[in-house]
Amino acid sequence: DGGITQSPKYLFRKEGQNVTLSCEQNLNHDAMYWYRQDPGQGLRLIYYSQIVNDFQKGDIAEGYSVSREKKESFPLTVTSAQKNPTAFYLCASSAMRNTEAFFGQGTRLTVV
Amino acid sequence: RKEVEQDPGPFNVPEGATVAFNCTYSNSASQSFFWYRQDCRKEPKLLMSVYSSGNEDGRFTAQLNRASQYISLLIRDSKLSDSATYLCVVTFFNAGGTSYGKLTFGQGTILTVHP
Repeated sequence: DGGITQSPKYLFRKEGQNVTLSCEQNLNHDAMYWYRQDPGQGLRLIYYSQIVNDFQKGDIAEGYSVSREKKESFPLTVTSAQKNPTAFYLCASSAMRNTEAFFGQGTRLTVV
Repeated sequence: RKEVEQDPGPFNVPEGATVAFNCTYSNSASQSFFWYRQDCRKEPKLLMSVYSSGNEDGRFTAQLNRASQYISLLIRDSKLSDSATYLCVVTFFNAGGTSYGKLTFGQGTILTVHP
């Protein structure tokens, strides 16, 4: 079945640690996105990528990094520079000409 | 001004009611519009695209007003299962016809349908 998979579903991080969230899609979509959602809030764009080996900062990129070495993969690293990383992280993908986006099930990151 | 703005609600309506949500956007170059639904602690899922001529899917009707830069969602005969957060999404194409790739979400409108 085609889809977009995020892992892990739940992640706990100690302060000062970097963690990497996985996002894989087999929809052959060119564009991939990372969003952050805080309780009771909308989605805020962290990074997005339209093509392999290229990506752009979104509205809240500070403290995050990404890579796009393969079309199907777009991992997000939450670095220790991100001061308030506890949130729900959502990965999405879309085809370039039909911009409807499909989401993974999300990763809940908690700093302990 | 936010690029996409929605009335956060919450809207609390009885079963069978008709409810409407509006969403305004600031970028006049915006080209694609969608409504998504998000259930509690779940990922957003596409409810419907919004076309220039307006479109309907069962109890749901979406409309676009480019001149005033807003989109709307009308839900008729509300069901308990319609309780969710409704997100409007705006994106735009570059001159080549492909998307800039930046989907922008409104903050969402919370709907609760009660018996």
